[in-house]
Amino acid sequence: QITLKESGPTLVKPTQTLTLTCTFSGFSLTTSGVGVGWIRQPPGKALEWLALIYWDDDKRYSPSLRSRLTIAKDTSKKQVVLTMTNMDPVDTATYYCAHALWAGDSSSTFWLFDYWGPGTLVTVSS
Amino acid sequence: QPVVTQSPSASASLGASVKLTCTLNSGHRNYAIAWHQQQPEKGPRYLMKVNSDGSHSKGGGIPDRFSGSSSGDERYLTISSLHSDDEADYYCQTWGAGIWVFGGGTKLTVL
Repeated sequence: QITLKESGPTLVKPTQTLTLTCTFSGFSLTTSGVGVGWIRQPPGKALEWLALIYWDDDKRYSPSLRSRLTIAKDTSKKQVVLTMTNMDPVDTATYYCAHALWAGDSSSTFWLFDYWGPGTLVTVSS
Repeated sequence: QPVVTQSPSASASLGASVKLTCTLNSGHRNYAIAWHQQQPEKGPRYLMKVNSDGSHSKGGGIPDRFSGSSSGDERYLTISSLHSDDEADYYCQTWGAGIWVFGGGTKLTVL
């Protein structure tokens, strides 16, 4: 059974760096075709993909936020950490981590999120 | 880079069927998408993958009332025999060249 859970501060001040941890179970991040991603959702708004780390340590970032994000994994602890620098009130959102799975076939590549954590609300305010 | 577009809202009566649409942008009409459901005050839940040929594969525990299909650049989620707890936001997601993309979501109201 795959589970993920986000943890980190609920309140950060503007200009500070946010560090979030995703602790997972039920899978290994050394298994081919697997990844863990971060997605956020401002209050009342849509989901926005932030970053993803693959089993082979390849990392991908949202082009619009690339300069502020870093993702890393600790496979022995079964954790993935996301850091976001220079936080601003517009970054107030619920942050989710999710299990990513390769779901392509012989003719195409496709990845999807098939398990989600419950999310953690981060408020940016002085 | 792929882009997916969704209508902001939809509504249907209890017990009826509804078809939600996710539209891929030009040049990406052969892409697959995934549907996710987000009930009020909850995290998203993966529903299914829908391929360009209309075939679909569901996540574990997703009822038969949920199905997927495709036509051209559109991908659909059909929910039949609507229950009250189907009232939720539904997001489509696609992937291309290492970039993950979500649509703006469709808020489904069950009347």
